[in-house]
Amino acid sequence: DAGVIQSPRHEVTEMGQEVTLRCKPISGHNSLFWYRQTMMRGLELLIYFNNNVPIDDSGMPEDRFSAKMPNASFSTLKIQPSEPRDSAVYFCASSSGSEDTQYFGPGTRLTVL
Amino acid sequence: SQQGEEDPQALSIQEGENATMNCSYKTSINNLQWYRQNSGRGLVHLILIRSNEREKHSGRLRVTLDTSKKSSSLLITASRAADTASYFCATDASNYQLIWGAGTKLIIKP
Repeated sequence: DAGVIQSPRHEVTEMGQEVTLRCKPISGHNSLFWYRQTMMRGLELLIYFNNNVPIDDSGMPEDRFSAKMPNASFSTLKIQPSEPRDSAVYFCASSSGSEDTQYFGPGTRLTVL
Repeated sequence: SQQGEEDPQALSIQEGENATMNCSYKTSINNLQWYRQNSGRGLVHLILIRSNEREKHSGRLRVTLDTSKKSSSLLITASRAADTASYFCATDASNYQLIWGAGTKLIIKP
């Protein structure tokens, strides 16, 4: 199994631009999580999907952030417009419904100038 | 709010020595997990211990759980340079959400 796949690995953009991060969870996993990691705030859960349905988006910082999961094998996290304070590493993780272990992707390092 | 809090925040030891990291949490849990994060990488699951377990082993890793003190420890024996990483504990806050600590940064000196 290839594990959780994220793209791009690095993204540098200018303030005001739209950013789209992509995630392919492990096949057969029905739970998907988007996290943001910064030095100041640590690891923060942004949104959780179960069976492609958003269950908890209370961690999404503001309306500029949106996430979708159109099918079981793909999810996107979009930031529009992006701001410098959005600079962070964004992780996608997946798990199966029968266990608590989460499997993380390699992350996308986002830099907003 | 953070549930798991690791200490120390940073730990530097010589290769071959044992490394011990601690995690404290605030509310009742069903299980506690430890993850490792190498620099620039995603988190990797190491071990899960359930609330009815007191100790668990996996290779050079030993995890203990004291639910009365709401604390856990991760012991890495005979450390290696490759163990250099940040280590996080995570507790289950609900049936899906994990609460993460700030992590312990472990440096193994050759």
